[in-house]
Amino acid sequence: DTEVTQTPKHLVMGMTNKKSLKCEQHMGHRAMYWYKQKAKKPPELMFVYSYEKLSINESVPSRFSPECPNSSLLNLHLHALQPEDSALYLCASSQARSSETQYFGPGTRLLVL
Amino acid sequence: AQSVTQPDIHITVSEGASLELRCNYSYGATPYLFWYVQSPGQGLQLLLKYFSGDTLVQGIKGFEAEFKRSQSSFNLRKPSVHWSDAAEYFCAVGEPGGGNKLTFGTGTQLKVEL
Repeated sequence: DTEVTQTPKHLVMGMTNKKSLKCEQHMGHRAMYWYKQKAKKPPELMFVYSYEKLSINESVPSRFSPECPNSSLLNLHLHALQPEDSALYLCASSQARSSETQYFGPGTRLLVL
Repeated sequence: AQSVTQPDIHITVSEGASLELRCNYSYGATPYLFWYVQSPGQGLQLLLKYFSGDTLVQGIKGFEAEFKRSQSSFNLRKPSVHWSDAAEYFCAVGEPGGGNKLTFGTGTQLKVEL
């Protein structure tokens, strides 16, 4: 099973709202990732968790707050977002070794009004 | 720092024709190499990968890629394209021993004419 699931599929939120994106994998992977993807662009790495610890934060604004409650789950908490944060948010997972194959979820399409 | 170049932003081929998508990388040693495909509004699906060994790699959906060290290339090929292959294709490289980051190319949009 190489499936990464993400909920919700779509999300519309106002700039004062608080919402969360969820990601789950059951492949036994110990590295999990959040990416942001704008239209017609490659994914941009936001955060990496390795063994449930934050290992990479690509200078992401604090209005995005990641959380890794356990080895299978990854959350992205959103607060006070801006319209330019509208994008496809992708979760991925991999073995924790260096540059292992990353398996992506279907993404959450976020629209900030 | 490593980089990835996909020189073709858009490619249009007729259904049944052969396809080659180009990918060049810049890295001091042999990186890990990946091709992903993304349909509109979807996540990325792994087509194939190269870590070491045989330089011709077979993937899913009839795709293959060849690693050429001398040209720093990892081009993706398919002998006969189907209309369902229309999508965005991303080449990516990882640095062995360099952590979990992948560097993506800018992507190639494939259109298939019926």
